[in-house]
Amino acid sequence: DAGITQSPRHKVTETGTPVTLRCHQTENHRYMYWYRQDPGHGLRLIHYSYGVKDTDKGEVSDGYSVSRSKTEDFLLTLESATSSQTSVYFCAISGQASEAFFGQGTRLTVV
Amino acid sequence: DAKTTQPPSMDCAEGRAANLPCNHSTISGNEYVYWYRQIHSQGPQYIIHGLKNNETNEMASLIITEDRKSSTLILPHATLRDTAVYYCIVREYGGSQGNLIFGKGTKLSVKP
Repeated sequence: DAGITQSPRHKVTETGTPVTLRCHQTENHRYMYWYRQDPGHGLRLIHYSYGVKDTDKGEVSDGYSVSRSKTEDFLLTLESATSSQTSVYFCAISGQASEAFFGQGTRLTVV
Repeated sequence: DAKTTQPPSMDCAEGRAANLPCNHSTISGNEYVYWYRQIHSQGPQYIIHGLKNNETNEMASLIITEDRKSSTLILPHATLRDTAVYYCIVREYGGSQGNLIFGKGTKLSVKP
């Protein structure tokens, strides 16, 4: 399996609190992605990064921010969590000329 | 939006070949066809990709029509462990231009 780790794997948080999810890779891949998966919607791209400090929005970026200060880490932050952000979050990594590999996911519940 | 169309579900008998179709009529010349699958609630798993030639690896074969407007993923001897949602995606090879945009996929059920 590709060296990609998501943490935490499960989290329950209260509405209005900030939450940060971490994606860590050991492959030195340039590209990193955050997706969310909800029933009836499939996987949707939130944000992606194409290098250190280089990030861009995906199709469902509202309410989320990201940071990438090191090649190996890509952080997804919910500044003020809402119930609509209850979801399973997947991180993915990709090299310049390679397929993407996915992490095992983080199940986030906002109560 | 996803640029592919797949049937929502398919059944296959264990030990038989599973043939999963995908339509991508708007594919551009520099876009590849990728296949991923997602077993239960795990992260999606890469299966295979191709540009215009047929491809085969240890997991599956990919047949792309000559006009590149459709393709078929073939699992030659399906097992119960192949039960999953299969996603067909078109993207440029690597790079930020090639973000993976997922559709609803095909839910393949392999039955004993």
